[in-house]
Amino acid sequence: NAGVTQTPKFRILKIGQSMTLQCTQDMNHNYMYWYRQDPGMGLKLIYYSVGAGITDKGEVPNGYNVSRSTTEDFPLRLELAAPSQTSVYFCASSYSMENEKLFFGSGTQLSVL
Amino acid sequence: GQNIDQPTEMTATEGAIVQINCTYQTSGFNGLFWYQQHAGEAPTFLSYNVLDGLEEKGRFSSFLSRSKGYSYLLLKELQMKDSASYLCAVLDSNYQLIWGAGTKLIIKP
Repeated sequence: NAGVTQTPKFRILKIGQSMTLQCTQDMNHNYMYWYRQDPGMGLKLIYYSVGAGITDKGEVPNGYNVSRSTTEDFPLRLELAAPSQTSVYFCASSYSMENEKLFFGSGTQLSVL
Repeated sequence: GQNIDQPTEMTATEGAIVQINCTYQTSGFNGLFWYQQHAGEAPTFLSYNVLDGLEEKGRFSSFLSRSKGYSYLLLKELQMKDSASYLCAVLDSNYQLIWGAGTKLIIKP
C-alpha cells in the first residue's frame, strides 16, 4: 500500500502563476483533506471532501480550489499565486471524520516569489 | 474562539521522561489526538483520547481530563529518534480538527 501520495515535493512559483498539487490515496477512504502548515502555527484546513463529487470549504479556502471526481484523487488548485500562499501543504485522508486518525501525504513545500 | 495551547519547545535528556501538556478551549469536544512530526516530514498518528484517563501505548502515554480541558503526552525512556514536534489536535462539535502549533522536543545525549 502506498497510502497517500502527494506531488510535487517542492515548487517555486512566481506571483500570478497557477499550479495544481496532486493527491491520491489507495486506502479507499471517503474523507480527504488539504491543510497548510506555517511556522509557529497549527495546521489550517483549506478544503475537505466527504466523498467523490462532494467538497467543502475549510478555515482558509481563499485562493484555492479543489475537485473530487474519484474516491482516490483530490487535487488542490492554486490560481494567481500570492506570497501569502508560501507554505507547506499536506494532503490527508481518513476512513471517517468521527474518531479516525488521519493519514498524511509527504507534503509540498511551496514558495511564491 | 477556539484555541489550543501547548509549549513551543521543550528539552529533555536521553533516557529520561518528558510530559508535553496541551490545554484546549473548543466548541464542543469529540476527542483529542496527538501526532508526531519529524522535521521535514508529515505528521503521524500517536494517540486518541475521548474519555477521561490514561491511555498507554508502549513508551508513550496520553492523558485526558475533559472537565479541565487538558491533556498531556508522556514519553518514557527517551531516545534520540523522539526528537520531533508533537501536535495536539481536538475534534470539535462539528467534527473539525483544531490543531495546536506543536511542541518541538529536543533530546540531548
